[in-house]
Amino acid sequence: AQSVTQLGSHVSVSEGALVLLRCNYSSSVPPYLFWYVQYPNQGLQLLLKYTTGATLVKGINGFEAEFKKSETSFHLTKPSAHMSDAAEYFCAVNGNQFYFGTGTSLTVIP
Amino acid sequence: GAGVSQSPRYKVAKRGQDVALRCDPISGHVSLFWYQQALGQGPEFLTYFQNEAQLDKSGLPSDRFFAERPEGSVSTLKIQRTQQEDSAVYLCASSLTKRGHYEQYFGPGTRLTVT
Repeated sequence: AQSVTQLGSHVSVSEGALVLLRCNYSSSVPPYLFWYVQYPNQGLQLLLKYTTGATLVKGINGFEAEFKKSETSFHLTKPSAHMSDAAEYFCAVNGNQFYFGTGTSLTVIP
Repeated sequence: GAGVSQSPRYKVAKRGQDVALRCDPISGHVSLFWYQQALGQGPEFLTYFQNEAQLDKSGLPSDRFFAERPEGSVSTLKIQRTQQEDSAVYLCASSLTKRGHYEQYFGPGTRLTVT
């Protein structure tokens, strides 16, 4: 069975500070892992994905994530937060269907 | 090119009414998914189509929910005798691959409010 846990439903960072959003997964098969961003009243937009190969994955808008099998984690990071990063972020794992975490709301403080 | 579109964007229904939500996937996408997103929650899987075949409907919460994709493109999610707990955003996603293993493209959603 697959599932996703996102630690911290709300994260606040200062503009220019490091962003770290945590995601742990469980999967009975080699996972495909995804991070999506959702702006108010919009659908989900893919930030990045891990399928196979390099464990450090770079995505759009300066985000990256590292797949760590030993820790069953796929944390999302960005070195320097921008005001436009304020949004809801969802981690997902793909098995027979997509399983999403409950989301982390990111606030960027000017 | 055009992305996934959904209509209506907002729907208010009185309890007991039937509603129909439409999804236009990206042209040529094989897979189509419906998700329900309650307030403050992540999307939850409802059903999956591969072309016109509904291969997985395990997420549909009750027999009041029905989905179809008769020609393998546009899909409709129908909810009969709506109840307040049906209030949520309904998201549609499509994918070029079977099961959408690599990437799913999401529409903006339909926000359903049942009063």
